Amino acid sequence: AQSVTQLGSHVSVSEGALVLLRCNYSSSVPPYLFWYVQYPNQGLQLLLKYTTGATLVKGINGFEAEFKKSETSFHLTKPSAHMSDAAEYFCAVSESDSWGKLQFGAGTQVVVTP
Amino acid sequence: EAQVTQNPRYLITVTGKKLTVTCSQNMNHEYMSWYRQDPGLGLRQIYYSMNVEVTDKGDVPEGYKVSRKEKRNFPLILESPSPNQTSLYFCASRQGGVSTNEKLFFGSGTQLSVL
Repeated sequence: AQSVTQLGSHVSVSEGALVLLRCNYSSSVPPYLFWYVQYPNQGLQLLLKYTTGATLVKGINGFEAEFKKSETSFHLTKPSAHMSDAAEYFCAVSESDSWGKLQFGAGTQVVVTP
Repeated sequence: EAQVTQNPRYLITVTGKKLTVTCSQNMNHEYMSWYRQDPGLGLRQIYYSMNVEVTDKGDVPEGYKVSRKEKRNFPLILESPSPNQTSLYFCASRQGGVSTNEKLFFGSGTQLSVL
């Protein structure tokens, strides 16, 4: 069975400050890990993914995430927040030996203040 | 333009009145799925379909039905809606096969309120 825990349902950051969104997962097999972003009144868009290989993955809009197997974590970071980063962010996991059913975390709402 | 189209965008109904939310994709995707999004719970899968006439339950299928008669369409049916089905619903699609979740396309959502 797989599950995802996102720490913090709301995060407030100042413009220009570091964005750090935490995600921990559990999976019985090597996982595929994803971060999605949802802007107001829109569907989800993929930010980045980890499947195999390099554990530090870079995504769109300056975001990156690091897969740490020993910590079962996949935290999302961005060095400098922009006002346009205000959105809800979802971490998701799928098991690599299935049809890839996605299990989503509860989401973290990011507010960016001037 | 590649897209997943859901209709309607907003829907208010009353308990027990059957409704259908439509979903259509123009990318010839095999896999389609319905999710509901609730505060503090993230997205939970309702039903999914791996191809025409092949559907299966997700995590929260109770109170919902789906059909997949054509590859492009995957309607979500609520035979007798109840207030606990008030939620934001998303349809998504992708090509079949493992490790293609990065190609998952989402619709813009349907906000359903059941009074």
